[in-house]
Amino acid sequence: GIQVEQSPPDLILQEGANSTLRCNFSDSVNNLQWFHQNPWGQLINLFYIPSGTKQNGRLSATTVATERYSLLYISSSQTTDSGVYFCAVAGSYGNTGKLIFGQGTTLQVKP
Amino acid sequence: NAGVTQTPKFQVLKTGQSMTLQCAQDMNHNSMYWYRQDPGMGLRLIYYSASEGTTDKGEVPNGYNVSRLNKREFSLRLESAAPSQTSVYFCASRATYQPQHFGDGTRLSIL
Repeated sequence: GIQVEQSPPDLILQEGANSTLRCNFSDSVNNLQWFHQNPWGQLINLFYIPSGTKQNGRLSATTVATERYSLLYISSSQTTDSGVYFCAVAGSYGNTGKLIFGQGTTLQVKP
Repeated sequence: NAGVTQTPKFQVLKTGQSMTLQCAQDMNHNSMYWYRQDPGMGLRLIYYSASEGTTDKGEVPNGYNVSRLNKREFSLRLESAAPSQTSVYFCASRATYQPQHFGDGTRLSIL
């Protein structure tokens, strides 16, 4: 099956700093989503981005499907950005939509 | 607009007890999914339902059964709970070629 690797596993930032999170995947995909899991455990949809670039406020994401990676950019980080960021992909074959999750990047933003 | 609703939010069981986790979505989505999340890990797929009347196994189906009661509802049953099934359970749904939307999770502890 598809392998999903996220890096770095942990990240500590000072408030106001920028960061880049990376997601590598091992096969072609027709779905890629970025999630933020907040301290209450809720999974917040950030981006649905199987290819291309999207922006939403201070967050943006780019997926280069041909090279099998995606990047999540966080600019001017805030303490509320703390939590775990997951990348999840669904393989192109069969269109079942079954998501394979990476292990996550735990982000701590210090005031 | 509730999205994906899971009940209960918390549950404590004794080993050997049975219970059913409920999930309902109001977005008219065809596909529904059950995942589990263990500490420090990403989510793993237990079962999914591509459409009403169909179900199929995911990565970790042992010890679980599911029922797609109708288009809105997809339940997960533990027939004889084991401590290894202590986890946070998430339900999700999606329309074809669209992102998955997740519920807030059910925290299940088995003593």
